[in-house]
Amino acid sequence: SQTIHQWPATLVQPVGSPLSLECTVEGTSNPNLYWYRQAAGRGLQLLFYSVGIGQISSEVPQNLSASRPQDRQFILSSKKLLLSDSGFYLCAWEAGAGGFEAFFGQGTRLTVV
Amino acid sequence: GQSLEQPSEVTAVEGAIVQINCTYQTSGFYGLSWYQQHDGGAPTFLSYNALDGLEETGRFSSFLSRSDSYGYLLLQELQMKDSASYFCAVRGFNQAGTALIFGKGTTLSVSS
Repeated sequence: SQTIHQWPATLVQPVGSPLSLECTVEGTSNPNLYWYRQAAGRGLQLLFYSVGIGQISSEVPQNLSASRPQDRQFILSSKKLLLSDSGFYLCAWEAGAGGFEAFFGQGTRLTVV
Repeated sequence: GQSLEQPSEVTAVEGAIVQINCTYQTSGFYGLSWYQQHDGGAPTFLSYNALDGLEETGRFSSFLSRSDSYGYLLLQELQMKDSASYFCAVRGFNQAGTALIFGKGTTLSVSS
């Protein structure tokens, strides 16, 4: 069966510090991978979308970046965090061909102080 | 670009029926999905409509009208555990292909 792992679950970081959030998927190949951000009580904002290794689409200009060094690994990074980067970050995957259901990780609650 | 509109809040009592509407605009259409998210948790998939009509899954049903760019989620026999946020989602073209875009969500509060 397929599983998705996202860590850490919570993170408190000072302004200006770097960020690295990791997401891995098991039990499937060639998944589409997503990073979303959710502000408190708000919707899911698409940040990055990837259909393959090294293929990253950025939806919103910001100080965040994403990388996909391996087929089932998706990393969200920042060189210098801003207060506005606080939020609930969710990684998700779906089958690369013909999939219509996305499966989410448990999320990382990031607080920038 | 893509955009989705859904009500921000809906309230209902146990045992009632509630309908959450969603209208969308997207360049290309690959189906309308619904997700449920309990407070602090991850969204989970509820249903998917690629074609017009009603899809039923237990107490939940989802409807799509492609000509109207409209769909809804119908929740019957409401239970307290149905209190959650509900998101509609569509696929839209972007640089890499067709990414899943979510609406802002509808918070459903079920009271006894």
